[in-house]
Amino acid sequence: GAGVSQSPSNKVTEKGKDVELRCDPISGHTALYWYRQSLGQGLEFLIYFQGNSAPDKSGLPSDRFSAERTGGSVSTLTIQRTQQEDSAVYLCASSSVGTGNSYEQYFGPGTRLTVT
Amino acid sequence: AQSVTQPDIHITVSEGASLELRCNYSYGATPYLFWYVQSPGQGLQLLLKYFSGDTLVQGIKGFEAEFKRSQSSFNLRKPSVHWSDAAEYFCAVGAGIHKLSFGAGTTVTVRA
Repeated sequence: GAGVSQSPSNKVTEKGKDVELRCDPISGHTALYWYRQSLGQGLEFLIYFQGNSAPDKSGLPSDRFSAERTGGSVSTLTIQRTQQEDSAVYLCASSSVGTGNSYEQYFGPGTRLTVT
Repeated sequence: AQSVTQPDIHITVSEGASLELRCNYSYGATPYLFWYVQSPGQGLQLLLKYFSGDTLVQGIKGFEAEFKRSQSSFNLRKPSVHWSDAAEYFCAVGAGIHKLSFGAGTTVTVRA
C-alpha cells in the first residue's frame, strides 16, 4: 500500500518567511511523528501526535515551530519567521499504536528546507 | 534519558565482504532497538527491530543484528555486501511509545 508521503519535497524560502510542510501518514496509522535531520545535529524528534492531539511537543526548538493534525490523518508543520538554522530535512513518520508493532515507525521521504 | 552511540562515522567495505556496524545504547529499562537505512535522497527504511525474545534478529536485505544486554549493544551485520548497500545506517532506541532516539549514523561505502 501507499507509504508516508510528504510535500513539498524541496522548499527554498527567504529568511523571515513562513513555511508549511505537509505529511500524509499511512492510512489507519493513528500515531504521527515529526523529526528534523540536519548536519551536526543528526535526527531530532520534534513532536508526536496520537490522533489529533499532541501529547509530546518537547522537541519543538522554539515557539516559531508549530504543528497540527486534522481528521486523524494529515499533519502540517509550520515554521514562522524562518531562520537559516532552520535549514534541514524534515521527516515525518507514522505508526499504528496499540498493537505489537506500535514502535515501528514508517518514514516519509522528507522535505528539504533551505532558508536563504 | 536514552542515548545511542554509533562509534564509526564512515566504513568502507569491498563488495562481497562482510559488514558489521556497531551500536551502543544507554537506557535504564528494556530497550526497543531498531536499525534504519537511508539511501541518498530517500527517507529512512526499517531494516530490523528488537522488542523481546530471541536476541538475534533477522531483517530485510540479508541483514541481521544481535542484542547483547551485557554490552548494551545492538550490532548490525551482513555476511556479504552488495554495491546497493551503500547508504547511511542509523541505530535507534525507542523509549516510551512515541520517541525514537537516533545515533549519529554510519555511512557505508562499497568499493568494487
